[in-house]
Amino acid sequence: EPEVTQTPSHQVTQMGQEVILRCVPISNHLYFYWYRQILGQKVEFLVSFYNNEISEKSEIFDDQFSVERPDGSNFTLKIRSTKLEDSAMYFCASSVRRAQGYEQYFGPGTRLTVT
Amino acid sequence: AQSVTQLDSHVSVSEGTPVLLRCNYSSSYSPSLFWYVQHPNKGLQLLLKYTSAATLVKGINGFEAEFKKSETSFHLTKPSAHMSDAAEYFCVVSDSGGGADGLTFGKGTHLIIQP
Repeated sequence: EPEVTQTPSHQVTQMGQEVILRCVPISNHLYFYWYRQILGQKVEFLVSFYNNEISEKSEIFDDQFSVERPDGSNFTLKIRSTKLEDSAMYFCASSVRRAQGYEQYFGPGTRLTVT
Repeated sequence: AQSVTQLDSHVSVSEGTPVLLRCNYSSSYSPSLFWYVQHPNKGLQLLLKYTSAATLVKGINGFEAEFKKSETSFHLTKPSAHMSDAAEYFCVVSDSGGGADGLTFGKGTHLIIQP
């Protein structure tokens, strides 16, 4: 069964460094998403992406964040200058429309640790 | 604005006994509601969803949930718990059915299965 994949599984970076988190959505899906979960807190929506542009974004998704689909398979989240509070699990998801609406499928996550 | 409240942070049951994970939601529209499960070191897996069809929704692994509009609830149940059900469970709401808009997650309920 097709799955959303994410790399790396764990990323450690120093404050102020740029990081790129990578995702390969399921191939026939049209919407792509990033979420994050700070330890002990809720999973929070960051951004959705459709037809090569951002569809929706939350207040969390500020100028430090950007997303890109550089080729036909990858979907990336870039954090330009990481802060300690960016430490979290980052989940990528993609969705497909069924008869009764959309279903979002999630990857296993990338744990980002900013030191 | 939409929100989800999962009433229990931890639920512990014995193997073979029923499971009840409680969820209340708030939504301005006719919501789509989902339950996701997260096993340790795994991604978020869709268990079931409600999208204005039948109010009793059956999902994978014997789980089901009932949408009760009058109570704004979407509780998850299973008649007989299995050790493999031990995981984190998230109740999720979407006003748009999960397309462009991100999903809104509850804080999660940690299900513990006692042998």
